[in-house]
Amino acid sequence: QKEVEQDPGPLSVPEGAIVSLNCTYSNSAFQYFMWYRQYSRKGPELLMYTYSSGNKEDGRFTAQVDKSSKYISLFIRDSQPSDSATYLCAMSASHGNEKLTFGTGTRLTIIP
Amino acid sequence: GAVVSQHPSRVICKSGTSVKIECRSLDFQATTMFWYRQFPKQSLMLMATSNEGSKATYEQGVEKDKFLINHASLTLSTLTVTSAHPEDSSFYICSARVARGRLGYTFGSGTRLTVV
Repeated sequence: QKEVEQDPGPLSVPEGAIVSLNCTYSNSAFQYFMWYRQYSRKGPELLMYTYSSGNKEDGRFTAQVDKSSKYISLFIRDSQPSDSATYLCAMSASHGNEKLTFGTGTRLTIIP
Repeated sequence: GAVVSQHPSRVICKSGTSVKIECRSLDFQATTMFWYRQFPKQSLMLMATSNEGSKATYEQGVEKDKFLINHASLTLSTLTVTSAHPEDSSFYICSARVARGRLGYTFGSGTRLTVV
């Protein structure tokens, strides 16, 4: 079993729809959770960073963490074609210089 | 801020030759740099962690003599793929933790290596 599971998709939704992306994990030591967006042939860019359980909102993006279920989500409201990319969840057990464990990424396409 | 510049973005080399990939932190000091490899439609796999002024720590299964990492300064880390073979063709990405007081890691733009 992988430490982090993420549905690779592809996921296609119409412009303006709400997108829900999810990851599950097995390591209960994970406390820091991140979502990265990666455009084709580019490096990942950080979208959201959360610590422990709870919600965090930033513009059209909302990250949720449920540590009891070992489940994290990223919601994108009012989706735009420019949101089309691969979204990777990542997590670590500490805030220091510790390696991240990534999900496989979900390829998302927003259809105009 | 917090930009990591990675070069080259794309390189094609002949089998048996060596290729050097550079990552520079432009506006912060990166005491630790992480090197990842990504195959098509797969996640990032950590290869090694490099610390300024010391030897890199390699993940299990990664050949340290094949993937040479040097982190000679607080702003520069290099990955050299030695005696490259077609199976080394991949997307290589570096990453550094953003400076103290900020959260998350910032990534380079990646290097697409093709060995022919």
